[in-house]
Amino acid sequence: RKEVEQDPGPFNVPEGATVAFNCTYSNSASQSFFWYRQDCRKEPKLLMSVYSSGNEDGRFTAQLNRASQYISLLIRDSKLSDSATYLCVVNGAGSYQLTFGKGTKLSVIP
Amino acid sequence: GAVVSQHPSWVICKSGTSVKIECRSLDFQATTMFWYRQFPKQSLMLMATSNEGSKATYEQGVEKDKFLINHASLTLSTLTVTSAHPEDSSFYICSAHGGLAGEEETQYFGPGTRLLVL
Repeated sequence: RKEVEQDPGPFNVPEGATVAFNCTYSNSASQSFFWYRQDCRKEPKLLMSVYSSGNEDGRFTAQLNRASQYISLLIRDSKLSDSATYLCVVNGAGSYQLTFGKGTKLSVIP
Repeated sequence: GAVVSQHPSWVICKSGTSVKIECRSLDFQATTMFWYRQFPKQSLMLMATSNEGSKATYEQGVEKDKFLINHASLTLSTLTVTSAHPEDSSFYICSAHGGLAGEEETQYFGPGTRLLVL
């Protein structure tokens, strides 16, 4: 089983749509969870951290289910500028090393 | 947020050449830096963890004699790809940890270096 697994997509959605990405991780000792965004040929940029209580940042909502080892990202009212690859990232216990999923590609269509 | 720079952003070289990539934390001291490699349509793969003043820790399958890492100061780490071959062509990205107060868990990524070995 891969350490961090994501649906590769691509997700092609119209502007204004709501889209959800899922991610599972294999290491139950993982401590920190993040969603990063990576534009084509660019470095990853932190979108948001993910907490057990769930957290929201504008149109973006992230959820963590530790029992199921499952992380989600919801994007509401999609914008053209949201088109990118979304990376699920997990930080191991007692370590600052990040493990990246392969990413889910999102294309928001006019 | 904190800023990490990488230089050069693009390298095209002949097979057998050694290529040096620099990673700098511009406005904070990075106790730990990480080097990643990303092949097309693949995830970022951690190559090594670089701690200032000590030897780097390499991930399984990464040749330490091939990918030389030096972390001589709290703001600079270098990755040298020795005797590069076409299969080393990739997107190399560094990240720095140990940034601003309240953001200790955050890693800040450099813009990456695209290496093409002919």
